[in-house]
Amino acid sequence: AQSVTQPDIHITVSEGASLELRCNYSYGATPYLFWYVQSPGQGLQLLLKYFSGDTLVQGIKGFEAEFKRSQSSFNLRKPSVHWSDAAEYFCAVGFILTGGGNKLTFGTGTQLKVEL
Amino acid sequence: GAGVSQSPSNKVTEKGKDVELRCDPISGHTALYWYRQSLGQGLEFLIYFQGNSAPDKSGLPSDRFSAERTGGSVSTLTIQRTQQEDSAVYLCASSLSLEGPRRTQYFGPGTRLLVL
Repeated sequence: AQSVTQPDIHITVSEGASLELRCNYSYGATPYLFWYVQSPGQGLQLLLKYFSGDTLVQGIKGFEAEFKRSQSSFNLRKPSVHWSDAAEYFCAVGFILTGGGNKLTFGTGTQLKVEL
Repeated sequence: GAGVSQSPSNKVTEKGKDVELRCDPISGHTALYWYRQSLGQGLEFLIYFQGNSAPDKSGLPSDRFSAERTGGSVSTLTIQRTQQEDSAVYLCASSLSLEGPRRTQYFGPGTRLLVL
């Protein structure tokens, strides 16, 4: 069965510092990978996704992620964090359902705190 | 444009009562998903609807949970005889049926359910 591991429950960075959030997945086939962000009281917003092709994916808000098949990883990065990036970040792998749907299996999330 | 909307935003109920949670997907999105976000289990897939096809119910935790989708649009998630462990945030997502398995799911703000 597919699974996603986010080893860091909490991360604190200073504003302006670089950020890397780790994600490892387990999936038998070519994975469909996603990063979502959730601000307090809000739903999940898609940051970026990977399906195939270029392993470095650009997303919104200046985020990027790199797919590394050999390491089963899909880490999220940002070169300079802003205070508004404080939120919870979820990595997910998509599993194709019968009928064509895409069931997302999420990691447990990483809570990002930004110090001013 | 309008996103996925859910109602109510918060629901407090007594153990043993039935509750109904509503989801209005993005107009034109034929795929609809329900997820549950709880402290103990994280984000879990519950059920998937695609057009008029039979739903994929593989994530429903018990037979107290059911969902329907009327007219291929609005969906209602019903929890019968609620238990305290049902307390969670219930998230709805929708996606286009195009793009095949690469579908991006757009999430609503969720319904926070508290069972006393």
